[in-house]
Amino acid sequence: GNSVTQMEGPVTLSEEAFLTINCTYTATGYPSLFWYVQYPGEGLQLLLKATKADDKGSNKGFEATYRKETTSFHLEKGSVQVSDSAVYFCALIEGGYQKVTFGTGTKLQVIP
Amino acid sequence: GAVVSQHPSRVICKSGTSVKIECRSLDFQATTMFWYRQFPKQSLMLMATSNEGSKATYEQGVEKDKFLINHASLTLSTLTVTSAHPEDSSFYICSAEGGGPNSYNEQFFGPGTRLTVL
Repeated sequence: GNSVTQMEGPVTLSEEAFLTINCTYTATGYPSLFWYVQYPGEGLQLLLKATKADDKGSNKGFEATYRKETTSFHLEKGSVQVSDSAVYFCALIEGGYQKVTFGTGTKLQVIP
Repeated sequence: GAVVSQHPSRVICKSGTSVKIECRSLDFQATTMFWYRQFPKQSLMLMATSNEGSKATYEQGVEKDKFLINHASLTLSTLTVTSAHPEDSSFYICSAEGGGPNSYNEQFFGPGTRLTVL
């Protein structure tokens, strides 16, 4: 079956530090890949997505590139802010299916 | 972008009562909606897939008589937690699939409903 593996958190960074949250996946087909963000007490918001190999998703300074050869979709941001503190979920949907497979989530805490 | 709402955002009820949670797609029609449950500090667990006009498909281990799902229209799905008990306390999140030609294979999530059973 499909699976998504994320680095365990929490990740604590100082403001303006560089962020990387690793995500790797296993899938039998050609999935679409997503990063969702969940702020405290709220639902999930789509942060970015990529639908095919070598696509780069980007939003609000965050980026992730769909790497088929390494089955990875690592999330990066060059300079984090306190407002980026949240839980980040990597996820995939395999083409033709509806079920979302989520990673376990990585909590990011940015301190001033 | 596509917006999904949930109501209520928070509910506190007594043990043994039933609670209904609504999930609406506000600006698009969603033939398929999903219900998830999230325990503290954990990922989302898919409970069921709801297709408009048909019976929901429940994931293994989810009691269909406990968690009643109705998807009567293309913009509304409801989850009713029947005879709720404290162990049903959780954060329930719905999602809807669709939203336009650029939203293939994408799900849009509601803000969640915090259920507390006393």
